[in-house]
Amino acid sequence: DAKTTQPPSMDCAEGRAANLPCNHSTISGNEYVYWYRQIHSQGPQYIIHGLKNNETNEMASLIITEDRKSSTLILPHATLRDTAVYYCIGASGSARQLTFGSGTQLTVLP
Amino acid sequence: DSGVTQTPKHLITATGQRVTLRCSPRSGDLSVYWYQQSLDQGLQFLIQYYNGEERAKGNILERFSAQQFPDLHSELNLSSLELGDSALYFCASSVEGSGGHLTGELFFGEGSRLTVL
Repeated sequence: DAKTTQPPSMDCAEGRAANLPCNHSTISGNEYVYWYRQIHSQGPQYIIHGLKNNETNEMASLIITEDRKSSTLILPHATLRDTAVYYCIGASGSARQLTFGSGTQLTVLP
Repeated sequence: DSGVTQTPKHLITATGQRVTLRCSPRSGDLSVYWYQQSLDQGLQFLIQYYNGEERAKGNILERFSAQQFPDLHSELNLSSLELGDSALYFCASSVEGSGGHLTGELFFGEGSRLTVL
């Protein structure tokens, strides 16, 4: 699995977009970028994943750079309920499990 | 609600004891994963089962064992418990692709919090 690097913490104002960066400079061509979040000791929750193209779903957008060495998770209108630890994970299409790092603690401020 | 059910939610026991944690995956999911989350270690992958067979093994101690039953529920057995085994234990399930790989989404249960005194 690709090694990923995330800032340990970030703040965001409620209602604003939260942009969470992730570096994965060693990612290989067949490795996907996954994002999960964990709200205060609850079970982790899947957000989104992508390979090359940008992806969007009802929760977030994932922007992957053309060289695939980094990506950004965008929460378009952050709410207080988005306060959580966000994990960026690189894993191949043949992966049988996901390796979670230390993630980014996002705090959404009122 | 992820559809994954874990019991018990909380468990307090003493060192040297044995406990069993239970997981019921989402309907239709054949894969079950176990993760351990302690304060100083983060989320650690323990083991994966697919349709009753062990598929992948992570940092699982020899004192721990797991199995997946024909009805697809899974149990994680922890024996000779030590203080350091105190942690949240998460179960997740997924739908695997035709190649037996992840299709992208793991559905996690709410976890079982084990406290060893």
